[in-house]
Amino acid sequence: EVQLVESGGALAQPGGSLRLSCAASGFTFSNYVMGWVRQAPGQGLEWVSAITGSGGSTYYADSLKGRFTISRDNSKDTVYLQINSLRAEDTAVYYCAKYFRGSSIAYWGRGTLVTVSS
Amino acid sequence: EIVMTQSPATLSASPGERATLSCRASQSISDKLAWFQQKSGQPPRLLIYDASTRAPGIPARFSGTGSGTEFTLTISSLQSEDFAVYYCQQYNKWPETFGPGTKVDFK
Repeated sequence: EVQLVESGGALAQPGGSLRLSCAASGFTFSNYVMGWVRQAPGQGLEWVSAITGSGGSTYYADSLKGRFTISRDNSKDTVYLQINSLRAEDTAVYYCAKYFRGSSIAYWGRGTLVTVSS
Repeated sequence: EIVMTQSPATLSASPGERATLSCRASQSISDKLAWFQQKSGQPPRLLIYDASTRAPGIPARFSGTGSGTEFTLTISSLQSEDFAVYYCQQYNKWPETFGPGTKVDFK
Protein backbone atom coordinates (compact mmCIF):
# COMPACT_ATOMS: atom_id res chain seq x y z
CA GLU A 1 0.00 0.00 0.00
CA VAL A 2 1.34 3.42 -0.97
CA GLN A 3 1.92 5.68 2.03
CA LEU A 4 3.14 9.27 2.00
CA VAL A 5 3.77 10.95 5.35
CA GLU A 6 4.66 14.63 5.43
CA SER A 7 6.41 16.40 8.28
CA GLY A 8 8.17 19.65 9.00
CA GLY A 9 5.23 22.01 8.95
CA ALA A 10 5.37 24.65 11.67
CA LEU A 11 4.63 28.20 12.70
CA ALA A 12 7.43 30.25 11.17
CA GLN A 13 8.36 33.91 10.98
CA PRO A 14 8.26 35.95 7.78
CA GLY A 15 11.67 35.83 6.15
CA GLY A 16 12.52 32.50 7.74
CA SER A 17 13.01 29.07 6.19
CA LEU A 18 11.46 25.64 6.52
CA ARG A 19 12.25 22.22 5.12
CA LEU A 20 9.35 19.89 4.59
CA SER A 21 9.87 16.13 4.32
CA CYS A 22 7.76 13.36 2.85
CA ALA A 23 8.57 9.77 3.76
CA ALA A 24 7.29 7.28 1.20
CA SER A 25 6.65 3.55 1.44
CA GLY A 26 4.84 0.79 -0.41
CA PHE A 27 6.50 1.27 -3.81
CA THR A 28 9.92 1.49 -5.47
CA PHE A 29 10.55 5.13 -4.67
CA SER A 30 13.33 5.85 -7.15
CA ASN A 31 11.11 4.83 -10.09
CA TYR A 32 8.58 7.62 -9.66
CA VAL A 33 8.19 11.33 -10.08
CA MET A 34 7.28 12.98 -6.77
CA GLY A 35 5.79 16.39 -6.15
CA TRP A 36 4.29 18.96 -3.82
CA VAL A 37 0.92 20.72 -3.98
CA ARG A 38 -0.28 23.33 -1.52
CA GLN A 39 -3.65 24.65 -0.41
CA ALA A 40 -4.09 27.93 1.43
CA PRO A 41 -6.90 28.04 4.01
CA GLY A 42 -10.28 27.99 2.27
CA GLN A 43 -8.66 28.12 -1.17
CA GLY A 44 -8.06 25.79 -4.10
CA LEU A 45 -5.13 23.57 -4.95
CA GLU A 46 -1.87 25.11 -6.17
CA TRP A 47 0.75 22.92 -7.84
CA VAL A 48 4.17 23.74 -6.38
CA SER A 49 6.95 21.50 -7.69
CA ALA A 50 7.96 18.06 -8.96
CA ILE A 51 11.16 16.02 -9.28
CA THR A 52 11.98 13.06 -11.49
CA GLY A 53 12.85 9.65 -10.07
CA SER A 54 16.60 10.12 -10.42
CA GLY A 55 16.41 13.69 -9.13
CA GLY A 56 17.97 14.88 -12.37
CA SER A 57 15.12 17.20 -13.34
CA THR A 58 13.06 19.55 -11.22
CA TYR A 59 10.05 21.71 -12.05
CA TYR A 60 8.46 24.66 -10.26
CA ALA A 61 5.38 26.86 -10.46
CA ASP A 62 6.35 30.07 -12.23
CA SER A 63 5.35 32.23 -9.26
CA LEU A 64 7.46 30.23 -6.80
CA LYS A 65 10.77 29.87 -8.63
CA GLY A 66 13.75 31.03 -6.62
CA ARG A 67 12.40 30.53 -3.09
CA PHE A 68 11.41 26.86 -3.30
CA THR A 69 13.79 23.92 -3.82
CA ILE A 70 12.69 20.32 -4.24
CA SER A 71 15.10 17.44 -3.67
CA ARG A 72 15.02 13.75 -2.88
CA ASP A 73 17.11 11.10 -1.17
CA ASN A 74 16.38 7.77 -2.82
CA SER A 75 18.37 5.92 -0.14
CA LYS A 76 15.85 7.21 2.41
CA ASP A 77 12.71 7.10 0.22
CA THR A 78 12.15 10.74 1.10
CA VAL A 79 11.39 13.88 -0.87
CA TYR A 80 11.99 17.37 0.51
CA LEU A 81 10.75 20.89 -0.10
CA GLN A 82 12.93 23.76 1.09
CA ILE A 83 11.11 27.07 1.41
CA ASN A 84 13.16 30.23 1.93
CA SER A 85 12.20 33.86 2.55
CA LEU A 86 8.84 32.79 3.92
CA ARG A 87 5.88 35.07 3.29
CA ALA A 88 2.41 35.21 4.84
CA GLU A 89 1.00 33.95 1.53
CA ASP A 90 2.99 30.71 1.92
CA THR A 91 0.59 29.76 4.73
CA ALA A 92 -1.01 26.53 3.51
CA VAL A 93 -1.30 22.82 3.89
CA TYR A 94 1.48 21.26 1.82
CA TYR A 95 0.67 17.89 0.28
CA CYS A 96 3.21 15.38 -0.97
CA ALA A 97 2.19 13.56 -4.15
CA LYS A 98 3.28 10.46 -6.05
CA TYR A 99 2.79 10.29 -9.80
CA PHE A 100 1.77 7.47 -12.08
CA ARG A 101 4.52 6.65 -14.58
CA GLY A 102 4.24 9.14 -17.41
CA SER A 103 0.96 10.44 -16.14
CA SER A 104 -0.83 12.34 -13.43
CA ILE A 105 -0.61 12.57 -9.66
CA ALA A 106 -1.90 9.26 -8.32
CA TYR A 107 -1.56 9.41 -4.54
CA TRP A 108 -1.56 12.13 -1.92
CA GLY A 109 -0.29 12.38 1.63
CA ARG A 110 -2.41 13.91 4.36
CA GLY A 111 -0.47 17.15 4.33
CA THR A 112 1.55 19.27 6.72
CA LEU A 113 0.52 22.77 7.80
CA VAL A 114 2.84 25.73 7.35
CA THR A 115 1.81 28.94 9.04
CA VAL A 116 3.82 32.09 8.42
CA SER A 117 3.16 34.80 10.96
CA SER A 118 5.03 37.09 13.30
CA GLU B 1 1.83 28.59 -18.04
CA ILE B 2 -1.42 26.92 -19.02
CA VAL B 3 -4.48 28.43 -17.34
CA MET B 4 -7.30 26.08 -16.37
CA THR B 5 -10.85 27.31 -15.87
CA GLN B 6 -13.83 25.40 -14.47
CA SER B 7 -17.56 25.94 -14.64
CA PRO B 8 -19.81 26.30 -12.87
CA ALA B 9 -18.16 27.49 -9.67
CA THR B 10 -20.98 25.87 -7.70
CA LEU B 11 -23.41 23.19 -8.83
CA SER B 12 -26.48 22.65 -6.68
CA ALA B 13 -28.07 19.25 -7.21
CA SER B 14 -30.06 16.51 -5.51
CA PRO B 15 -29.11 12.88 -4.93
CA GLY B 16 -29.90 10.79 -7.99
CA GLU B 17 -29.43 13.69 -10.41
CA ARG B 18 -26.84 13.81 -13.17
CA ALA B 19 -24.02 16.31 -12.67
CA THR B 20 -21.90 17.72 -15.49
CA LEU B 21 -18.73 19.67 -14.66
CA SER B 22 -16.66 21.49 -17.26
CA CYS B 23 -12.97 22.28 -17.49
CA ARG B 24 -11.18 24.33 -20.14
CA ALA B 25 -7.47 24.76 -20.88
CA SER B 26 -5.99 27.95 -22.32
CA GLN B 27 -4.13 25.85 -24.93
CA SER B 28 -4.28 22.30 -26.13
CA ILE B 29 -3.24 19.72 -23.55
CA SER B 30 -4.10 16.62 -25.62
CA ASP B 31 -5.64 14.19 -23.11
CA LYS B 32 -3.30 15.04 -20.25
CA LEU B 33 -6.02 15.94 -17.81
CA ALA B 34 -6.92 14.60 -14.38
CA TRP B 35 -9.94 15.10 -12.14
CA PHE B 36 -9.69 15.08 -8.36
CA GLN B 37 -12.35 15.04 -5.66
CA GLN B 38 -11.75 16.73 -2.33
CA LYS B 39 -13.92 16.57 0.76
CA SER B 40 -13.54 18.96 3.67
CA GLY B 41 -10.49 18.21 5.81
CA GLN B 42 -9.20 15.48 3.49
CA PRO B 43 -6.53 15.33 0.81
CA PRO B 44 -7.69 15.19 -2.80
CA ARG B 45 -8.45 11.83 -4.39
CA LEU B 46 -7.73 10.97 -8.02
CA LEU B 47 -10.90 10.11 -9.97
CA ILE B 48 -9.91 10.27 -13.64
CA TYR B 49 -6.59 10.51 -15.49
CA ASP B 50 -5.69 10.77 -19.16
CA ALA B 51 -9.03 12.58 -19.52
CA SER B 52 -11.18 9.44 -19.47
CA THR B 53 -9.51 6.61 -17.51
CA ARG B 54 -11.02 5.93 -14.10
CA ALA B 55 -8.51 5.48 -11.31
CA PRO B 56 -8.53 2.15 -9.44
CA GLY B 57 -11.54 1.79 -7.16
CA ILE B 58 -13.50 4.70 -8.62
CA PRO B 59 -17.17 3.89 -9.24
CA ALA B 60 -18.46 3.66 -12.80
CA ARG B 61 -20.86 6.59 -12.21
CA PHE B 62 -17.83 8.87 -12.69
CA SER B 63 -16.80 9.40 -16.31
CA GLY B 64 -14.53 11.82 -18.11
CA THR B 65 -14.50 12.97 -21.70
CA GLY B 66 -12.71 15.50 -23.87
CA SER B 67 -9.41 16.32 -25.48
CA GLY B 68 -7.56 19.40 -26.62
CA THR B 69 -9.00 22.26 -24.58
CA GLU B 70 -12.47 21.14 -23.49
CA PHE B 71 -13.15 18.47 -20.89
CA THR B 72 -16.13 17.18 -18.94
CA LEU B 73 -16.58 15.17 -15.77
CA THR B 74 -19.98 13.52 -15.48
CA ILE B 75 -21.46 11.94 -12.38
CA SER B 76 -24.34 9.89 -13.73
CA SER B 77 -26.37 9.68 -10.51
CA LEU B 78 -25.21 11.71 -7.54
CA GLN B 79 -24.76 9.84 -4.29
CA SER B 80 -24.59 11.56 -0.90
CA GLU B 81 -20.84 10.91 -0.71
CA ASP B 82 -20.26 12.76 -4.00
CA PHE B 83 -21.01 16.20 -2.59
CA ALA B 84 -17.52 17.71 -2.58
CA VAL B 85 -15.20 20.00 -4.53
CA TYR B 86 -13.84 18.81 -7.88
CA TYR B 87 -10.61 20.03 -9.47
CA CYS B 88 -9.20 19.47 -12.92
CA GLN B 89 -5.44 19.53 -13.52
CA GLN B 90 -3.33 19.56 -16.65
CA TYR B 91 -0.05 17.66 -16.78
CA ASN B 92 0.76 18.09 -20.46
CA LYS B 93 3.32 20.79 -19.83
CA TRP B 94 5.39 21.97 -16.87
CA PRO B 95 4.44 23.71 -14.71
CA GLU B 96 1.33 21.69 -14.06
CA THR B 97 -1.73 23.73 -13.16
CA PHE B 98 -5.08 23.21 -11.45
CA GLY B 99 -8.44 24.73 -12.16
CA PRO B 100 -10.17 26.75 -9.41
CA GLY B 101 -12.62 23.96 -8.60
CA THR B 102 -16.35 23.26 -8.80
CA LYS B 103 -18.25 22.76 -5.56
CA VAL B 104 -21.12 20.27 -5.81
CA ASP B 105 -23.57 20.90 -3.01
CA PHE B 106 -27.10 19.93 -2.03
CA LYS B 107 -29.91 21.77 -3.75
